[in-house]
Amino acid sequence: GENVEQHPSTLSVQEGDSAVIKCTYSDSASNYFPWYKQELGKRPQLIIDIRSNVGEKKDQRIAVTLNKTAKHFSLHITETQPEDSAVYFCAASAQAGTALIFGKGTTLSVSS
Amino acid sequence: EPEVTQTPSHQVTQMGQEVILRCVPISNHLYFYWYRQILGQKVEFLVSFYNNEISEKSEIFDDQFSVERPDGSNFTLKIRSTKLEDSAMYFCASSTQSIMNTEAFFGQGTRLTVV
Repeated sequence: GENVEQHPSTLSVQEGDSAVIKCTYSDSASNYFPWYKQELGKRPQLIIDIRSNVGEKKDQRIAVTLNKTAKHFSLHITETQPEDSAVYFCAASAQAGTALIFGKGTTLSVSS
Repeated sequence: EPEVTQTPSHQVTQMGQEVILRCVPISNHLYFYWYRQILGQKVEFLVSFYNNEISEKSEIFDDQFSVERPDGSNFTLKIRSTKLEDSAMYFCASSTQSIMNTEAFFGQGTRLTVV
């Protein structure tokens, strides 16, 4: 089945810097890759997603890139702010198309 | 904005007891999911449900687990004979279409503590 690896596990940046989180997946049949943000004690919330027919997607300060050949995708946050501090999870759809397989998460800390 | 709602927010149960976690998905959604998150760990897929039957389940979803949509609004996860390792946050989610085509919305979770 699908396996998703996520790095780094923790990331500390200064306010205004960029942050990059990387994920790899194992199942070449996966074709949907969302990113979720989870604040402490709260539910995961979708921040951006990308499908395999697209190489890059951007939404204001957040962008995601996908390299299907290498089976990896990355989250880029520019001009980070303290409120970006949270745990970020990448995920990939499993082959049957109804399950998301999550990475282990990255704890992002943005200090002002 | 419509939300997935879960009850209770926190459930404490004795080991060996049965628990039922309840979810009310967003009303026009057709796909329903249960995920769990052990404290400090990643979110793990348990099961997906569509058209009144299980679409997909993980290895975690063994015979002690079952799901049901008893009426037009509720979606439940039953855990028979709970074990200490079942302690986790359980998230329900729903989507209008298959997860490959649309966003899944998560509920706020039920924290299950087995003692």
